[in-house]
This record gives sequence, C-alpha cells and structure tokens, in this order.
Amino acid sequence: GAGVSQSPSNKVTEKGKDVELRCDPISGHTALYWYRQSLGQGLEFLIYFQGNSAPDKSGLPSDRFSAERTGGSVSTLTIQRTQQEDSAVYLCASSLWTELSEKLFFGSGTQLSVL
Amino acid sequence: GEDVEQSLFLSVREGDSSVINCTYTDSSSTYLYWYKQEPGAGLQLLTYIFSNMDMKQDQRLTVLLNKKDKHLSLRIADTQTGDSAIYFCAVRDTGGFKTIFGAGTRLFVKA
Repeated sequence: GAGVSQSPSNKVTEKGKDVELRCDPISGHTALYWYRQSLGQGLEFLIYFQGNSAPDKSGLPSDRFSAERTGGSVSTLTIQRTQQEDSAVYLCASSLWTELSEKLFFGSGTQLSVL
Repeated sequence: GEDVEQSLFLSVREGDSSVINCTYTDSSSTYLYWYKQEPGAGLQLLTYIFSNMDMKQDQRLTVLLNKKDKHLSLRIADTQTGDSAIYFCAVRDTGGFKTIFGAGTRLFVKA
C-alpha cells in the first residue's frame, strides 16, 4: 500500500481481556517495528522484525506481550490479560532495511484504552 | 543499551528560531534522526545526519552534531505556528540495528 496501515485506530477493552493490534507495512519493506507511546512518555521500543531473522524481542515489557509477522508482511501484536498500564498508543513502523540510513515510515497508531 | 534524552517542552514566538537539543550515549551510532509528530498522527522523518558529518542544512532546518559531546540539535529558522508538534530525536543502535527514540520535545509556537 501507499503507507503503513494500522487497525483498529482505537480500541477500548476491559482489564483482563486479550487484544490484537494489526500492522500492514509498506509493500517491499523488510523491517517492521512496534513501539509504544504512553502519555507524557517517549517512544518505547517493543519488538523488531527483519526479513527471516529471529525477531528482536528485547523491548517487550512482559510475557503478556507477543508479536508475529506472517509471510514477511502483516504483523499482529497481541496483549494478553490486558492491564490498565497497557493503555497507550501502539505505533508500527516499517523500513527498507537494506538502506543504511534506515528511514522509518510510521502508521497513525492504535490508541488502546484499558478500563 | 542506547539512551537518548531530550527536554520535554520548548516555547517560542512565531518568526523566532527554535533549537531542540538531544544527547545520546552510544558514541558509535551511525545515523541520527529527527522525526516530527503532529497531533493524532504517526511520526514523519524530518531529516537525518550521518555520524561523519558535523552539520546538515535543509531549507529552514539545520542539524548540528557534536560527536565528542554526543549532542545533536535541530534548529528551525523562522518558526511558524504550523511547526507546533512533538519532535523526536532518534539514534540507530549499532548493536542491534534498531532505532531508539528520545521522549520527544513538544514545541509550542506563539503567534
């Protein structure tokens, strides 16, 4: 597609429920990132996929968080047993990793609210 | 790991210059970036600089890099109300090849 697409744009859920957030990167982009942006906080790195390599999961805050990327394209971030502190904007970005400068292209994010 | 820090707020008058500062910890970082986030939107790349450069100019934007002090700055000349946004400093982590962001500086432009 023309840009990085994320869905849903807004998600309201109850504490304890599971949620799935979707990211559709720019066609041909081999690298995909998930970041979390909390109110008043910066961008927190969560996970990074590059081609067929094992993902860098070093930023996932707990084992309730997981992500997968199917067929090297669409990615899903899953949060199990959501907690109120999970409320944030979840941003996805993709890039042409082969470019040394690695410019990231961001989606508009999913605003997650856990009640 | 890499740590990127920047001040949280900056307020300037329309027409003045804005200078947003950033410090980072990994001296071997290769690329350093400035991204802009407008309300309700994702981030957009404004400009970037390679670590062997001291300065890069792009229209109203000037990026200065002091590698010795690990300090990066973004100067916006003739700041306009449309420049009001959050500006993120970001650094390419040479260890894991991932991009690490600062907390963002919210720029307020007063008419």
